[in-house]
Amino acid sequence: QSALTQPRSVSGSPGQSVTISCTGTSSDVGGYNYVSWYQQHPGKAPRLMVYDVTERPSGVPDRFSGSKSGNTASLTISGLQAEDEADYYCCSYAGSYTWVFGGGTKLTVL
Amino acid sequence: QVQLVESGGGLVKPGGSLRLSCAASTFTFSDHYMSWVRQAPGKGLEWVSYISSSGDTIFYADSVKGRFTISRDNAKNSLYFQMNSLRAEDTAVYYCARGYRSSFAAFDLWGQGTMVTVSS
Repeated sequence: QSALTQPRSVSGSPGQSVTISCTGTSSDVGGYNYVSWYQQHPGKAPRLMVYDVTERPSGVPDRFSGSKSGNTASLTISGLQAEDEADYYCCSYAGSYTWVFGGGTKLTVL
Repeated sequence: QVQLVESGGGLVKPGGSLRLSCAASTFTFSDHYMSWVRQAPGKGLEWVSYISSSGDTIFYADSVKGRFTISRDNAKNSLYFQMNSLRAEDTAVYYCARGYRSSFAAFDLWGQGTMVTVSS
């Protein structure tokens, strides 16, 4: 159950797009279409932003989109806004009712 | 409103025990699988345990297996986490997280977390 690999930080200016990658293995990211992404502001609980690789829960802006290729999943945020500045975590189902999270990526809106 | 509220955290000595609770309100608790997820200070999220909606399927991360026990009481809309043989590395904020009914494997509602500190 090794953590998924995410960049420690990414940044972008308002209005720009950024992509956060999440690399796992064939036992997690590559093996299941069950990757989810969570946004966490400092001192707050995580918020589900994307599930099942590409799906968005109601209430999540369509500026947030997910994708996957092989063992790597990605979260793209387009039209960056100041309130998008937060930590982002990917999470993958890893079989047998277990999950593995990524180490987290700090998004800075310049 | 729809929410999860954790309680039971605190300061405990290594080798000690704590029981966390998570109270669910304003949704049908028994319809959802649940998990505990923890976050050590300044660190990332770590999934630690899963329980099915009925409580008959349970799994743990290797880091807590044999020491922690997840359970639920659907009549009381509550989730529990019995933590024994606590270690310094168990120090973290513990979140209960609701399984998303639109997905087999995502968590759409989180509590505010309860802090567990293991220190002598």
